[in-house]
Amino acid sequence: GAGVSQTPSNKVTEKGKYVELRCDPISGHTALYWYRQSLGQGPEFLIYFQGTGAADDSGLPNDRFFAVRPEGSVSTLKIQRTERGDSAVYLCASSEGGGSGEQYFGPGTRLTVT
Amino acid sequence: AQRVTQPEKLLSVFKGAPVELKCNYSYSGSPELFWYVQYSRQRLQLLLRHISRESIKGFTADLNKGETSFHLKKPFAQEEDSAMYYCALRGNDKIIFGKGTRLHILP
Repeated sequence: GAGVSQTPSNKVTEKGKYVELRCDPISGHTALYWYRQSLGQGPEFLIYFQGTGAADDSGLPNDRFFAVRPEGSVSTLKIQRTERGDSAVYLCASSEGGGSGEQYFGPGTRLTVT
Repeated sequence: AQRVTQPEKLLSVFKGAPVELKCNYSYSGSPELFWYVQYSRQRLQLLLRHISRESIKGFTADLNKGETSFHLKKPFAQEEDSAMYYCALRGNDKIIFGKGTRLHILP
């Protein structure tokens, strides 16, 4: 079956603009995670959804970052007033059941803020 | 503080030689430890986890709680092992990754 998909694969935006990044998890996976991977670093946790609700959003760096998952499937990561430091690869992962299941990763969205 | 340390950014090993990728962690409690791998132009994927005690693609990793280490080992490197390897731990449902080690297998 289809794995986790993310769109767009690449996004270039100007400083100060608003962007939305989309994640389609594996069908039936109730847990969804967002990570950010900066150059030369490992993935950094941002937020974890269990169903429609954010179970842990402690990794969101500031209030410019927000994520939703209104129907418990597709999730959107929203970044307001983008800054050059937001440039990174944004990864999404999903897993069955609760937070203990294996996480399956998407290909990522490469965000470049100019 | 929860932390995963991979001291080597790059490790070059000749084909057929043994491989050891180092990983140390800091966690107050009993974490679950993993190794993830990312091959060129592919997505990040789970290689192995300590609780399963499996050997995947010839790789093994033993959790040493005394040394807080989870080093990844393979007795004989193969060219297809060239990839980026990330050690990670899970605590409270979220996964914390190390910075990664690029393994380069020399012919």
